[in-house]
Amino acid sequence: KQEVTQIPAALSVPEGENLVLNCSFTDSAIYNLQWFRQDPGKGLTSLLLIQSSQREQTSGRLNASLDKSSGRSTLYIAASQPGDSATYLCAVGGGANNLFFGTGTRLTVIP
Amino acid sequence: KAGVTQTPRYLIKTRGQQVTLSCSPISGHRSVSWYQQTPGQGLQFLFEYFSETQRNKGNFPGRFSGRQFSNSRSEMNVSTLELGDSALYLCASSLAQRGVSSYQETQYFGPGTRLLVL
Repeated sequence: KQEVTQIPAALSVPEGENLVLNCSFTDSAIYNLQWFRQDPGKGLTSLLLIQSSQREQTSGRLNASLDKSSGRSTLYIAASQPGDSATYLCAVGGGANNLFFGTGTRLTVIP
Repeated sequence: KAGVTQTPRYLIKTRGQQVTLSCSPISGHRSVSWYQQTPGQGLQFLFEYFSETQRNKGNFPGRFSGRQFSNSRSEMNVSTLELGDSALYLCASSLAQRGVSSYQETQYFGPGTRLLVL
């Protein structure tokens, strides 16, 4: 059974700092991996989708990498801003469970 | 384009009752997936509908059911509610172009329906 783990569970950084969020998964037979952000009381917003054949994807200040063989993905956020404060979720796609989500990292960017 | 909408946004029910939640996907999207989010279990996949047919199902009891209409709008129903059904229920839509599965493309999530069972 696929297990997706995100470390750390919570992270506080000062504004302007670069940071890395980690996601690991146990079954490397994935179709893709997606990163989402969730603001309190709201739904999910898709940030980046990496196909299993890709190594990384970039969007603005965000860069996500995927190492399928080792079962790891990282989300790099450059020059963090208070508006980046949210919970970040990674999800692996494929199989009967559609999207299998990690437990999330709660990020707080301090002005 | 309007985003994914879910109604109602908040709901309070008592044990044993049943509830129906509604989801309207983005115009042109043909796949709708439902997820349950709880503090203890996180986000878990319930089921996916495409062309009015359930295409995929997660590990939830039969009390959880759904359907999709010809305009792609979807409803999910929970019968005989239990305290543990209290959760945020999220639906997500995707294009499902050429019939691809929803996990193969970006899914767009609605704001969710927060259900409290007393």
